[in-house]
Amino acid sequence: DGGITQSPKYLFRKEGQNVTLSCEQNLNHDAMYWYRQDPGQGLRLIYYSQIVNDFQKGDIAEGYSVSREKKESFPLTVTSAQKNPTAFYLCASSVSHRGAGNTIYFGEGSWLTVV
Amino acid sequence: QKEVEQNSGPLSVPEGAIASLNCTYSDRVSQSFFWYRQYSGKSPELIMSIYSNGDKEDGRFTAQLNKASQYVSLLIRDSQPSDSATYLCAVLYGGSQGNLIFGKGTKLSVKP
Repeated sequence: DGGITQSPKYLFRKEGQNVTLSCEQNLNHDAMYWYRQDPGQGLRLIYYSQIVNDFQKGDIAEGYSVSREKKESFPLTVTSAQKNPTAFYLCASSVSHRGAGNTIYFGEGSWLTVV
Repeated sequence: QKEVEQNSGPLSVPEGAIASLNCTYSDRVSQSFFWYRQYSGKSPELIMSIYSNGDKEDGRFTAQLNKASQYVSLLIRDSQPSDSATYLCAVLYGGSQGNLIFGKGTKLSVKP
């Protein structure tokens, strides 16, 4: 089946640890995104990538890092510099990054909790 | 600053009624508008997209866009309990999906 797969679904992080969230898509989409959602809040963009080996910061990139070595994969690392990482993380993709008609589709999300 | 405003609700409607969800946005340079449905603990799923002024219908859903008033709405006819969810409005500012701004969502509750 085509889609966006995120793993793990639930992740617990200890203080000072880095953790990596996986995102894989088999939709042949060029653009991929990471969003963060806090309870009662809208989605906020962390990073996005238009093409392999290139990515741009979104609105809340501090404390996060990404890589785009393959078209299908866009992992997100939550570093120890992110002081309040507990949130719901959503990976998304679209056919391309530009164009009014391009729609963003989401994976199932990953819950990260600091313990 | 570009903003997307939604009434947080909850909006409560009886089963079979029409639910009306509203969204306003701050910048006239907006090209595309999207409605997503998000069940509790799940990821958003696309319901409708609309790009031109007027109405767009898809089954029980109708999206309405008025660019002059900077207003987009979603009507759900014959509301069902399964429609109970949070509805997110998203507005694309400019031609880049990096500029897709989400509202905080309206929680809809459909009572049997």
